[in-house]
Amino acid sequence: QKEVEQNSGPLSVPEGAIASLNCTYSDRGSQSFFWYRQYSGKSPELIMSIYSNGDKEDGRFTAQLNKASQYVSLLIRDSQPSDSATYLCAVNQRSARQLTFGSGTQLTVLP
Amino acid sequence: EAQVTQNPRYLITVTGKKLTVTCSQNMNHEYMSWYRQDPGLGLRQIYYSMNVEVTDKGDVPEGYKVSRKEKRNFPLILESPSPNQTSLYFCASSSLGTDTQYFGPGTRLTVL
Repeated sequence: QKEVEQNSGPLSVPEGAIASLNCTYSDRGSQSFFWYRQYSGKSPELIMSIYSNGDKEDGRFTAQLNKASQYVSLLIRDSQPSDSATYLCAVNQRSARQLTFGSGTQLTVLP
Repeated sequence: EAQVTQNPRYLITVTGKKLTVTCSQNMNHEYMSWYRQDPGLGLRQIYYSMNVEVTDKGDVPEGYKVSRKEKRNFPLILESPSPNQTSLYFCASSSLGTDTQYFGPGTRLTVL
C-alpha cells in the first residue's frame, strides 16, 4: 500500500467548474499536509498547507482535512485553464521536514 | 532574487561515470533536500540536511551521496551511476521556521 495515494487522473473539468482532488494517507501520526502544483516541465510550488481538521480557504482554493478518515482534499472553485497542472499531495509522515508525496493528479481545465 | 539553482539542468552520461549535481540556495535556509521524480511514482526523497554537516537518508538513498560543507550548497553525488538512476531530480530548501519548501528548476539525468 502506498503511503500517500492520489487518483492519477487525468481529471478534466470545464472552465468555471469546481475541481475536486483527493488524497489518502496511511500514517495516522501525520501532522502536516500540503498541496503542491506542478506545471509541465516545471518544479513544484506550494499552494496550500493544512494542519487541523476542517477547511482552510485561500482565494479560489480550499483544503479539507479529515484525520479520522485519513484523507485530505483540494477544491478549486471557478477553475481556469491556467489551473491545468499536476497537483501533488504531500504529507509529513515522520519528521518535521520529511515529506512523502503522492504520485499526483493531472488536472485539465477545458475552456 | 531568492532562488534555488541546480546545475546542470540536463545531463546524459554512461554507466559508472561519477557525476555531481550541484544545488545552491541564496535564502540562508537551514534545510535542504534532494528528490527524484519518476512517472507514476511522484517525488521521492533521497537525502536531506537540517544544517551544515548534518545529513540523513530519505526514502531512496541507495546509490547516492551528499555533503553539506556550506549552508548554501548541497551537492548530490552519484559515484557509479546506473540506468535505474535515470530520472528528474529536484533540490529544495526551506527555513526551519516555515513549512514552505522552495524547489530548484530540476535536473534531468539520463544514464545510458
